[in-house]
Amino acid sequence: GQQVMQIPQYQHVQEGEDFTTYCNSSTTLSNIQWYKQRPGGHPVFLIQLVKSGEVKKQKRLTFQFGEAKKNSSLHITATQTTDVGTYFCAGRRTTDSWGKLQFGAGTQVVVTP
Amino acid sequence: DAGVIQSPRHEVTEMGQEVTLRCKPISGHDYLFWYRQTMMRGLELLIYFNNNVPIDDSGMPEDRFSAKMPNASFSTLKIQPSEPRDSAVYFCASSQLANEQFFGPGTRLTVL
Repeated sequence: GQQVMQIPQYQHVQEGEDFTTYCNSSTTLSNIQWYKQRPGGHPVFLIQLVKSGEVKKQKRLTFQFGEAKKNSSLHITATQTTDVGTYFCAGRRTTDSWGKLQFGAGTQVVVTP
Repeated sequence: DAGVIQSPRHEVTEMGQEVTLRCKPISGHDYLFWYRQTMMRGLELLIYFNNNVPIDDSGMPEDRFSAKMPNASFSTLKIQPSEPRDSAVYFCASSQLANEQFFGPGTRLTVL
């Protein structure tokens, strides 16, 4: 089963609305990465968070790493049709070998114009 | 740089046949990863290499799967014999110092 839980699994959003996807781990993470996969494409790296409580922004995307380093969130404001795709979080557990990432199941985002 | 290169892009084979997937990582990257993606199980790490040495193969489903990295610019994932449940998209990814991973376009495998 998934070691890193991600919710929601699906998100239908009206263009212009905001939404948030959440990522939770039962164990402490060294860091967390976010990827976006367009339909029929491959995962593309968005960002990496390392520090407890860290917040990073990329234009309309805001990424947050929890204080306990067990959860993370991605918030998108003013959704556009270009935001369509599946967003994955991927955490590096402190108990795993250094290169190993645990991917969440992803949040599939559909944007209605 | 051309990015991570995978071949073939599509593979259709019959149950019992041997399948070999190929990957060329980005030059200078010291980590190489093989993933499998299915609707049911999502994105699973099968194995990864660091400086051509296999580090963690705990995700390899069974003995039918094997992976090699004979040099820094080439890796293979072999399935022998293949089964219908192996049908999936197989991604190769590479990274430097285990930071952001760059994924290849994937190989869509269909085993009939």
